[in-house]
Order: sequence, then structure tokens, then C-alpha cells
Amino acid sequence: GAVVSQHPSWVICKSGTSVKIECRSLDFQATTMFWYRQFPKQSLMLMATSNEGSKATYEQGVEKDKFLINHASLTLSTLTVTSAHPEDSSFYICSARYFTDTQYFGPGTRLTVL
Amino acid sequence: QQQVKQSPQSLIVQKGGIPIINCAYENTAFDYFPWYQQFPGKGPALLIAIRPDVSEKKEGRFTISFNKSAKQFSLHIMDSQPGDSATYFCAASFEAGTASKLTFGTGTRLQVTL
Repeated sequence: GAVVSQHPSWVICKSGTSVKIECRSLDFQATTMFWYRQFPKQSLMLMATSNEGSKATYEQGVEKDKFLINHASLTLSTLTVTSAHPEDSSFYICSARYFTDTQYFGPGTRLTVL
Repeated sequence: QQQVKQSPQSLIVQKGGIPIINCAYENTAFDYFPWYQQFPGKGPALLIAIRPDVSEKKEGRFTISFNKSAKQFSLHIMDSQPGDSATYFCAASFEAGTASKLTFGTGTRLQVTL
């Protein structure tokens, strides 16, 4: 149990376009979902926390107008990178949990912006 | 006060050895300490977690030792195997309802050689 999926697993896009990444909890209801960013050989950096039905809370330094997060249901959250640029290229990982239970992570999405 | 310091940055052990990874924290409000394993190109997977009311926890070949007074905790991998080669992250959090979030260490790259 406790499976989190992400789609797509990798995406390549042109500079200036927008990209949407989906995160789904497959076998449990996720009251809270988190979005992380990870650069090569570095730790996970929390970008934002989202609770179902409410606005996401962004970490300091994360542009909320650039990284749009929607948590419309208890099993789905989306991250949209708007007007992507090469510096947005990274590994994006979501995680999900039911109330204060364990966080379960998705497999990640590799974004490359050309 | 929110930092979690992890060492070493990298570690090479022979098969059958017992690698030890250490983490230290400052925030005494932390009350949940998980360890995650991450393979290249994948999301982190929960290995084992401990709360400060116990000093040690074992799950299979993985053991967490916890020293509350020193504000340190460590991961021991018994009888390490080449398949254990991965990056390991410690983390810490405190339960604050849906606002609770993980603070990650910087990661340890473990290589287990034959």
C-alpha cells in the first residue's frame, strides 16, 4: 500500500512554455501533499505544501506565480511550471500523507527546459 | 535551528561491512526521525523511522540509534550488500497538525563494493 505516482516521469520542453506535473496517491487519501525540487547530488528542497481544497503554502524564495500548485482532490495534486526556463530544469518530487502519518514519495519527474 | 546535519557525505564499505551514517539536529521540538533511501533517478523510499521515546529501533538489517540528550541519531546497515548502494537521507519533523513538514539532511552516498 501507500503508493504515490507521478506523471510524466520525464519531460522536455522549450523555453517559455508551461509544463504540468501530476501527483496521485493511488491507495490512500492524501490530506496533504508536498512538492520538492532536487538538483543533482543534492538534498531535497521543499517548494510548497498543499492541503486539499485550500491554497498551497510556499517556502521562502519559491515564486508562487511561477510554480502553480493545485490540490483539487484527496488523491491528486498538480504542479505547473509556467514560462519555464533552463534554470527550472530539475528533478521534481511530490510526496503525500494522510493527516500526520508517514510521507510517501512519488518516483519523481525529470524536467529539462531547452 | 531547523537544520539537520548529516555525515559523512560519502562512504565506501565492503560487502558485509556495517556502514554508519550520523545526523544531528538542534530543534528539540523535533519528535519524528525517518531515514530515506534514494536510488538514482527515483524518489526517496522510507526505510525506518524512530520517535524520541526509544533509543534504538531495528527493522531487518537497518537499525536506528537515537541519543536524545546529544540530539543525534544514526543509521546502521548490517551485512551491507551491493544492492544497498544508494543515497541515504535522514530527516526530522515535529507534529504540528497538517503544517508538519520534513527537514532533510544533506545526504550520504553509500557504495558497497564486492
